[in-house]
Amino acid sequence: AQSVTQPDIHITVSEGASLELRCNYSYGATPYLFWYVQSPGQGLQLLLKYFSGDTLVQGIKGFEAEFKRSQSSFNLRKPSVHWSDAAEYFCAVTGGSYIPTFGRGTSLIVHP
Amino acid sequence: GAGVSQSPSNKVTEKGKDVELRCDPISGHTALYWYRQRLGQGLEFLIYFQGNSAPDKSGLPSDRFSAERTGESVSTLTIQRTQQEDSAVYLCASSLLPEMLGDTQYFGPGTRLTVL
Repeated sequence: AQSVTQPDIHITVSEGASLELRCNYSYGATPYLFWYVQSPGQGLQLLLKYFSGDTLVQGIKGFEAEFKRSQSSFNLRKPSVHWSDAAEYFCAVTGGSYIPTFGRGTSLIVHP
Repeated sequence: GAGVSQSPSNKVTEKGKDVELRCDPISGHTALYWYRQRLGQGLEFLIYFQGNSAPDKSGLPSDRFSAERTGESVSTLTIQRTQQEDSAVYLCASSLLPEMLGDTQYFGPGTRLTVL
């Protein structure tokens, strides 16, 4: 079975500060990992995904994520946060199923 | 259209009434997913359609929930005898190549259902 844990329900950062959102997964083999962003009143938009190759993945809007097999993690990072990044972020994993399992999400609050 | 669309965007209903939610996937996408998102929660899988295969209904929470899809186009999610715990945002997503495990899902904006 596959599962995802996002340990932080809320994260607050100041505009211009760096950001790291945590994601831990559970799956026996190499997983397919995703980060999605959901702005208020919107559907989810894919930021980036990992399924093989280079463990550092670049995405849209200046985001990146690093797959660390030894830690079962796929943390999302951004070097400098903008006020428009305030949103809900979801990590997801697909392994043995075509149906991804989503984490409960992390709400990002950006202070001016 | 260019993206996944859902209607209505908001639906308020009384307990016990039936509701129908509609999803129009991206043209050509063979796979369609329905999810439920309760306030402050992650996405809960409901049902998955892939081409002409039998749908995967393993996520439907009760027999009050059902869904249909016409070919590879529109899908409707029906909730009968709605209960207050059905209040949530219902999200639809479609994907082009679901046989690829890493295939990207494209989400609609969701339908916010409120059961009074």
